Amino acid sequence: KAGVTQTPRYLIKTRGQQVTLSCSPISGHRSVSWYQQTPGQGLQFLFEYFSETQRNKGNFPGRFSGRQFSNSRSEMNVSTLELGDSALYLCASSLDSGKDTQYFGPGTRLTVL
Amino acid sequence: ELKVEQNPLFLSMQEGKNYTIYCNYSTTSDRLYWYRQDPGKSLESLFVLLSNGAVKQEGRLMASLDTKARLSTLHITAAVHDLSATYFCAVDIPDNTDKLIFGTGTRLQVFP
Repeated sequence: KAGVTQTPRYLIKTRGQQVTLSCSPISGHRSVSWYQQTPGQGLQFLFEYFSETQRNKGNFPGRFSGRQFSNSRSEMNVSTLELGDSALYLCASSLDSGKDTQYFGPGTRLTVL
Repeated sequence: ELKVEQNPLFLSMQEGKNYTIYCNYSTTSDRLYWYRQDPGKSLESLFVLLSNGAVKQEGRLMASLDTKARLSTLHITAAVHDLSATYFCAVDIPDNTDKLIFGTGTRLQVFP
């Protein structure tokens, strides 16, 4: 069974731009979560989607948003990029929210110049 | 707010030695996970611990959970170079969502 996939793997943007990252969960998984990883703040939860509904949200500004489609694929969007948004963005999927192990994708490395 | 602390942050150990990584968390949780991350790579699931007293072992790694003490340990037996990586514990908030709170990570380096 294929794992979690994320596209693109690497991205370079400039301040003020916006970016959309994509995540395809493991087949059959309905829950998708997003995390930001930085050297300073570590791994921080962004949000979780289950059956196209946002179930939970972390402490990030409104510039960070996401959505989930009917096929469970998810996208996250960051608008008005700041230098501090440079990070590894990880997507994870699980069978059912709050009950099963989360499996992580390879991540998207975002660099904001 | 749930906080998760790991120690040590860095661990340099010789091959063949044993060591333990500690993970403390501040509030009640149903589940605790251990993940491994190699440089530039994603997180690989190692263990999920579901109940008080749970113990799981895979190769040279053994994880345990004491929910009363809010403590989990990851014990490394007879370390080998291939175990060099960063290890994270993550605690599941009991709110029926997938939100995980991660520890700071322990960077392990095993040398000959």
